[in-house]
Amino acid sequence: SQQGEEDPQALSIQEGENATMNCSYKTSINNLQWYRQNSGRGLVHLILIRSNEREKHSGRLRVTLDTSKKSSSLLITASRAADTASYFCATRRGGSYIPTFGRGTSLIVHP
Amino acid sequence: NAGVTQTPKFQVLKTGQSMTLQCAQDMNHNSMYWYRQDPGMGLRLIYYSASEGTTDKGEVPNGYNVSRLNKREFSLRLESAAPSQTSVYFCASSEISLRQETQYFGPGTRLLVL
Repeated sequence: SQQGEEDPQALSIQEGENATMNCSYKTSINNLQWYRQNSGRGLVHLILIRSNEREKHSGRLRVTLDTSKKSSSLLITASRAADTASYFCATRRGGSYIPTFGRGTSLIVHP
Repeated sequence: NAGVTQTPKFQVLKTGQSMTLQCAQDMNHNSMYWYRQDPGMGLRLIYYSASEGTTDKGEVPNGYNVSRLNKREFSLRLESAAPSQTSVYFCASSEISLRQETQYFGPGTRLLVL
């Protein structure tokens, strides 16, 4: 069963625009991670945010976490065609070290 | 440093045939995982191994068996393949600690069961 659900399911933008995708989850978590999957490849870890953190940055990535709303957002600024991929959130609940993945957001960045 | 490797990359089976998917990691991680990915379903955990010598069922274990051969290798076996097992299979590894929880994924095995 999916703990996290990404929204939107698909997103299409032009190069240079910002891309925002969201993740909502149901139960309290220890941390939330974002992964990227290029077509035909395995997932690659992007960023982890802990439950006591509200915002983290990594290069062009900005992740926010709102535990009161049980939601997180991933912002990719100044997107590039190479950012075209699927993006997954993964949540880890207390008592389990295994993350649960959502269904993903498919991002297409047009050059 | 190859990370996580999987073999084979592609496989076509007939219903009822058996096969083993191989996975190996060279990062000295204790934990290893097998997932399947189906369109619109995200990743679902089949089995995992917290450490060498232990294995546990995940969300969708039926029809599969696993072996943690040593710290490096974790194999997934389909004893009697069914069309419902057509999927992309990913192996992952991680080292769970207070400072590190990232999972590292292999490139996947694409399996078609006819």
